[in-house]
Amino acid sequence: SQQGEEDPQALSIQEGENATMNCSYKTSINNLQWYRQNSGRGLVHLILIRSNEREKHSGRLRVTLDTSKKSSSLLITASRAADTASYFCATDRAAGGTSYGKLTFGQGTILTVHP
Amino acid sequence: ETGVTQTPRHLVMGMTNKKSLKCEQHLGHNAMYWYKQSAKKPLELMFVYNFKEQTENNSVPSRFSPECPNSSHLFLHLHTLQPEDSALYLCASSHLRAGIQETQYFGPGTRLLVL
Repeated sequence: SQQGEEDPQALSIQEGENATMNCSYKTSINNLQWYRQNSGRGLVHLILIRSNEREKHSGRLRVTLDTSKKSSSLLITASRAADTASYFCATDRAAGGTSYGKLTFGQGTILTVHP
Repeated sequence: ETGVTQTPRHLVMGMTNKKSLKCEQHLGHNAMYWYKQSAKKPLELMFVYNFKEQTENNSVPSRFSPECPNSSHLFLHLHTLQPEDSALYLCASSHLRAGIQETQYFGPGTRLLVL
């Protein structure tokens, strides 16, 4: 299996509910990033969390990182129809603290928020 | 608007054609990337340029030829493509410093169809 696997692959919720997406990875990392992509468009950066951080917030977004479990979660609170998109995690893999100089993306979670 | 532009946004070409994709970033970044996004596959990194020097060629077929004349412009020259090369091609840029991969900023992509 590959670095940066998101779970679930698809999530369907009602407006106002919370959405939680998970990401697992296999190697040491410098940081983990979450991106959002609307259908057929470019990716938009949401949050970057560094390996020495455990939690970050940005508006309705909350990201956690557990390096012992090599996993991260993205929580979107009070979801809106406009949150409908694909969400990707990406890792800056590291060996001995040195980056490979590229991000490794997972396959993403497709989130659908029904009005 | 992320400060990364791509042209054209849509391209239809025959297998014998030669075309080029263009990417320009206005963010003062030192690294630029080409990604391929096919249906139901993770984002595939194709090429990385750091200060105009190619630092990654992810086993990409020679029918894809990148060019980076300066740190703000990136091209992807296409020739004798195959129908399976049809995909969304995304350009991104970022600061790459001290071995750490920071946030990547993506362009809107070029939707390529090879007939």
